[in-house]
Amino acid sequence: GAVVSQHPSWVICKSGTSVKIECRSLDFQATTMFWYRQFPKQSLMLMATSNEGSKATYEQGVEKDKFLINHASLTLSTLTVTSAHPEDSSFYICSARDLQSRDQPQHFGDGTRLSIL
Amino acid sequence: QQQVKQSPQSLIVQKGGISIINCAYENTAFDYFPWYQQFPGKGPALLIAIRPDVSEKKEGRFTISFNKSAKQFSLHIMDSQPGDSATYFCAASIVGNQFYFGTGTSLTVIP
Repeated sequence: GAVVSQHPSWVICKSGTSVKIECRSLDFQATTMFWYRQFPKQSLMLMATSNEGSKATYEQGVEKDKFLINHASLTLSTLTVTSAHPEDSSFYICSARDLQSRDQPQHFGDGTRLSIL
Repeated sequence: QQQVKQSPQSLIVQKGGISIINCAYENTAFDYFPWYQQFPGKGPALLIAIRPDVSEKKEGRFTISFNKSAKQFSLHIMDSQPGDSATYFCAASIVGNQFYFGTGTSLTVIP
C-alpha cells in the first residue's frame, strides 16, 4: 500500500541551528503535502500546506521565515526549522495527499521528534 | 473555532468491553470522516473512515456510526483489548484538503 516516509525520526540539536525534515511519498505522486505539529498530549495542528512547484500556504500564526517548506518534486517535501529554539521542540508529522485513493486520501508519516537543547 | 469536538478526553474500559468515542463537527461541507490511532512516538495510523452517504461502517472490531443530521459520528471498539490502549483522534475534511482533528481520547484497556 501507499507509504509516506519521514526522516529523521528523531533529532536533537543545539539552540540556534537549523534542522531539515524530509517527507517522501514512496509509491505515489503527491502534489500536495501537509505539515502538522503536535505538542505532548495534544492534537495535530496544521502548520502549512505544501504544493509541488509553488509556495507553501501557512496557517495563521506560523512563521514562514522560521519554518521553510520546499516541495520541489512530486515525491518530496522538506520542512526546515531555522534557528531552532527550545520552544520549537515538538513532534512534526507530514502527510501526503493521494488522489488515487478514495478510502485513504491522505497518508501520514511516522513523525519526527525534534528536541532543541 | 474548534471545527471538530471530541469526547471523552480519556476513557478506561475493561478488557472485552466496548469503547465509545464521540465527535461532532461544524462544517456541513465535510465529506470524509476518519478515525486515527496513535501510539506514543508514532504518527497517526488510519483505523477506519466513513463518507456521509452511509450511516455505519464496520471493519472487524471497529465501527463508525454517522449521523449527518446531528453532525456527529462515533467510533465503537468492540471486545476492547489491552493492545487497543492508545490515543484516538477523529478528523474531518473536505476530500483532498487539510484534516481538522479532534482533541484526542486516551484509551486505556484494563486486563
